[in-house]
Amino acid sequence: SQKIEQNSEALNIQEGKTATLTCNYTNYSPAYLQWYRQDPGRGPVFLLLIRENEKEKRKERLKVTFDTTLKQSLFHITASQPADSATYLCAAGNFNKFYFGSGTKLNVKP
Amino acid sequence: GAGVSQSPRYKVAKRGQDVALRCDPISGHVSLFWYQQALGQGPEFLTYFQNEAQLDKSGLPSDRFFAERPEGSVSTLKIQRTQQEDSAVYLCASSHKGLAETQYFGPGTRLLVL
Repeated sequence: SQKIEQNSEALNIQEGKTATLTCNYTNYSPAYLQWYRQDPGRGPVFLLLIRENEKEKRKERLKVTFDTTLKQSLFHITASQPADSATYLCAAGNFNKFYFGSGTKLNVKP
Repeated sequence: GAGVSQSPRYKVAKRGQDVALRCDPISGHVSLFWYQQALGQGPEFLTYFQNEAQLDKSGLPSDRFFAERPEGSVSTLKIQRTQQEDSAVYLCASSHKGLAETQYFGPGTRLLVL
């Protein structure tokens, strides 16, 4: 069955550094990937979408890549801030199915 | 502007009780999604509507789960004869058109079955 895998261990980094989160998918060929941020007790909030024909997308301090050969997406937050601390969810979809990974918790320490 | 709202925010049910969870999507959004999120996990897809048509219900765990969106706006997720394993956060999301677009999530309903 299809799997969207994210590192279940929390990522701890120092303020100002770049955070890099990984999303791998297996038994699936998504047409696009999305990244969401989720804070405790809240619903996910959309951050970025990247389609299979795009290699890279940027938005302010955020950057996402999509490598269909490696079946992987990388999500980068540059110049990280304590306010970036949250769980980040990867989601993969095509025209009729949509699957979330279990998320990676990011802790940015001042 | 108003986002997606869900009610109730919290629900405690005794095992065997029926519950109904409501979702008010963003006005004008064609698509509506229901997800189930267990603690420490990502949202799991349950079902998907485009207007009033339920296009996919493959994620509903059993026939005790039923969702409707009769007028293509508000949606209700009903769980009959609740069981302890139904305890989770139920998230609703809407999008302007379809799947390959930004989904706007509500705050979720936290269901606890005792």
